[in-house]
Amino acid sequence: ETGVTQTPRHLVMGMTNKKSLKCEQHLGHNAMYWYKQSAKKPLELMFVYSLEERVENNSVPSRFSPECPNSSHLFLHLHTLQPEDSALYLCASSQGQKNEKLFFGSGTQLSVL
Amino acid sequence: AQKITQTQPGMFVQEKEAVTLDCTYDTSDPSYGLFWYKQPSSGEMIFLIYQGSYDQQNATEGRYSLNFQKARKSANLVISASQLGDSAMYFCAMTHGGGSYIPTFGRGTSLIVHP
Repeated sequence: ETGVTQTPRHLVMGMTNKKSLKCEQHLGHNAMYWYKQSAKKPLELMFVYSLEERVENNSVPSRFSPECPNSSHLFLHLHTLQPEDSALYLCASSQGQKNEKLFFGSGTQLSVL
Repeated sequence: AQKITQTQPGMFVQEKEAVTLDCTYDTSDPSYGLFWYKQPSSGEMIFLIYQGSYDQQNATEGRYSLNFQKARKSANLVISASQLGDSAMYFCAMTHGGGSYIPTFGRGTSLIVHP
């Protein structure tokens, strides 16, 4: 299996739907991340979970809700999204140590209608 | 606050030639790390190369090298002998001192390699 696996690869949802994105890492890492990648914008950090802390970008709307039940799994729960939330959502993991590289999944391409 | 700037939205290079992708950064921390990632059309970000702020020599990984100019706060990626498979988006990223492990990314540069 690949190191970081994201499902689904593609998701189309209406603004009233509730859906979840899933990320799983098989690398024994201690930190997991959600990034949002919109066209012509830098990668935007949404949430980070590590052994010691949860970090979140305060600009992320409450319609995005992360869940990290253990160090190998990360979810992003979506509800009442807006069309501007359409983007590529990337999950990543790392050891959680200073200056460590990240390992990314292939992303979920989300379209909100 | 830290900041990463990639000024080249798009670059074109002939196959087998070398290309340099620019990256400048801004941080007041003496300890930081600089990264380059490649994102092909499949979407997955792939780590290419890392340079620590205290490293004396420029990092190299196969055909990739990082031209680290600390005084100018630049960390340009050099790809030698370009291949068609190098066509992708390239992102520069930085982690800064204070124990931070969370990178900040630049806007990226699209590289197209022509046959």
